Amino acid sequence: DADVTQTPRNRITKTGKRIMLECSQTKGHDRMYWYRQDPGLGLRLIYYSFDVKDINKGEISDGYSVSRQAQAKFSLSLESAIPNQTALYFCATSALAGAGGGLFFGEGSRLTVL
Amino acid sequence: KQEVTQIPAALSVPEGENLVLNCSFTDSAIYNLQWFRQDPGKGLTSLLLIQSSQREQTSGRLNASLDKSSGRSTLYIAASQPGDSATYLCAVSFTDSWGKLQFGAGTQVVVTP
Repeated sequence: DADVTQTPRNRITKTGKRIMLECSQTKGHDRMYWYRQDPGLGLRLIYYSFDVKDINKGEISDGYSVSRQAQAKFSLSLESAIPNQTALYFCATSALAGAGGGLFFGEGSRLTVL
Repeated sequence: KQEVTQIPAALSVPEGENLVLNCSFTDSAIYNLQWFRQDPGKGLTSLLLIQSSQREQTSGRLNASLDKSSGRSTLYIAASQPGDSATYLCAVSFTDSWGKLQFGAGTQVVVTP
């Protein structure tokens, strides 16, 4: 089983619908992240959480919200999806040890908003 | 704004040649730099992680160097194989963005048989 699991892996939805992407991890890491990937733009940070009580906005948080339900679970919500939120979304984790640890990624969730 | 740049955006080499991938960053105050591989439609696989105190890291055919003063890292892949075809991304953790990584846009590599 994967250490970082994202569900759903693929989703097609319509403009205005509420969407939730879920992430769970078995690595025991405190830090979790949501990134978005668009062709030619690389990965951009949406939200990140350093522990259950800590939630922080990344560089492109508008239109998104998150919930850290437990150390192992971090979900991303689009309250009212719009077409320019069509992208590949990645969840990632890292250990707390300062910033010395690397990132571990899930397989990604491909979202299409029509 | 801190930026990470990867040039070229795409690269094609014949099998057996050595690959040289470049990553540059605008601020030398970093915690670490990480190289990833991404296959089409897949997640990112970590290849090498270099701490700011290190000059290079090696794993098998892969070697990554770090020169903070010039803001550059280079990923070398020796004796390339068709299975090395993928997109390679560089990510930097800057000290004033503690715990977050800034990604380059990646270099798409094709190794032809």
